[in-house]
Amino acid sequence: EIVLTQSPATLSLSPGERATLSCRASQSISRYLVWYQQRPGQAPRFLIYDASDRATGVPARFSGSGSGTDFTLTISSLEPEDFAVYYCQQRADWPLTFGGGTKVEIK
Amino acid sequence: EVQLLESGGGLVQPGGSLRLSCAASGFTFSTSDMDWVRQAPGKGLEWVSHITDTSDTMYYADSVKGRFTISRDNAKNSLYLQMHSLRDEDTAVYYCARRVVPTGYAFDIWGQGTVVTVSS
Repeated sequence: EIVLTQSPATLSLSPGERATLSCRASQSISRYLVWYQQRPGQAPRFLIYDASDRATGVPARFSGSGSGTDFTLTISSLEPEDFAVYYCQQRADWPLTFGGGTKVEIK
Repeated sequence: EVQLLESGGGLVQPGGSLRLSCAASGFTFSTSDMDWVRQAPGKGLEWVSHITDTSDTMYYADSVKGRFTISRDNAKNSLYLQMHSLRDEDTAVYYCARRVVPTGYAFDIWGQGTVVTVSS
């Protein structure tokens, strides 16, 4: 099973600041990495696929990068609605797995 | 409007059974692979099961293999999850989600979830 490790577990930032979230895979997953956002009480929202392609309607302040085992989600300037939990997920192999999540909270 | 709507959750005793349903609308269900993903209270996301568009292939997480069965009815635009021998650790919000090639086979559409509570 491919294990995804997200860091940090919690990121405390202020609106307008830059957020950098990390996701590391236990083995190479090429670029088969997806990012989701989950706000409290809501279903996850699809943000980024194939490591760096933004889903339709996702603001340009969200960007993804990486390949192989190391991936990054960057939010260039945090808006109030961006404070949420972010998950990465791999589709390179079965079983599909998620990272443990990074909570971006207001400082 | 593109939508997935889960139903069938509830309170069940350990060892019991439950059948979840997911009704799809606003997209071509019959050409979409579908999955179930769950989230235990206060925890992260866990993939549960996958079924291809034609039902020719299914996959399961080890934690549910042999107890859960995924199925679909394309004529009814519906996805199902039959759950048997339920355990306390199956308590979670269960989401159905779509996976299609144009969006990198990501879970691009999610339902609002249905709550399953396993407790005596």
